[in-house]
Amino acid sequence: GAVVSQHPSRVICKSGTSVKIECRSLDFQATTMFWYRQFPKQSLMLMATSNEGSKATYEQGVEKDKFLINHASLTLSTLTVTSAHPEDSSFYICSAASGRPETQYFGPGTRLLVL
Amino acid sequence: AQSVTQLGSHVSVSEGALVLLRCNYSSSVPPYLFWYVQYPNQGLQLLLKYTSAATLVKGINGFEAEFKKSETSFHLTKPSAHMSDAAEYFCAVSEGTGNQFYFGTGTSLTVIP
Repeated sequence: GAVVSQHPSRVICKSGTSVKIECRSLDFQATTMFWYRQFPKQSLMLMATSNEGSKATYEQGVEKDKFLINHASLTLSTLTVTSAHPEDSSFYICSAASGRPETQYFGPGTRLLVL
Repeated sequence: AQSVTQLGSHVSVSEGALVLLRCNYSSSVPPYLFWYVQYPNQGLQLLLKYTSAATLVKGINGFEAEFKKSETSFHLTKPSAHMSDAAEYFCAVSEGTGNQFYFGTGTSLTVIP
């Protein structure tokens, strides 16, 4: 139980293009999903909290127009990196919250490389 | 305010030896505590969690952790390390539903054959 998938697992794109990453909770419903960014050999950096049916809450320093988040259903959240640049290259991980106390279950991550 | 400190960014143990990964937290309310493991190029997998039911928590893969309120600690242990335990381990604290998780900086575990 509590399986979270992410798609794609790896993407390479040209600078200036937009990339969409999907995060799905496969066997449970998640009112809240989270998006993280992880740099090599570092911990997770929370980018935003995504709530179903409402606007995402972004952490300080994260550009909401750059990283568009949509949480259209209780099992799907998407992160779109708009006009990607090489500095956006990173490992992006989503999680979905479930249970009491609330536990975060993580997707396998998406490796983004912007050329 | 909540925070998590993981002492030792790198820990090396011999195969078959005891694994001890340290985690100390600060929280203004009774916390919920979690340990996650991350293998290279993968997401985080939940190892175990403390939910105030029992201070000694058993998780997957033979790991366990003990909540010690007096020491504000939640150290992760495993009696006998296996090569497959080599990974990055993260401790996290939360104040409950609707609240953010705060992650430690992680501990990289190396298992020496």
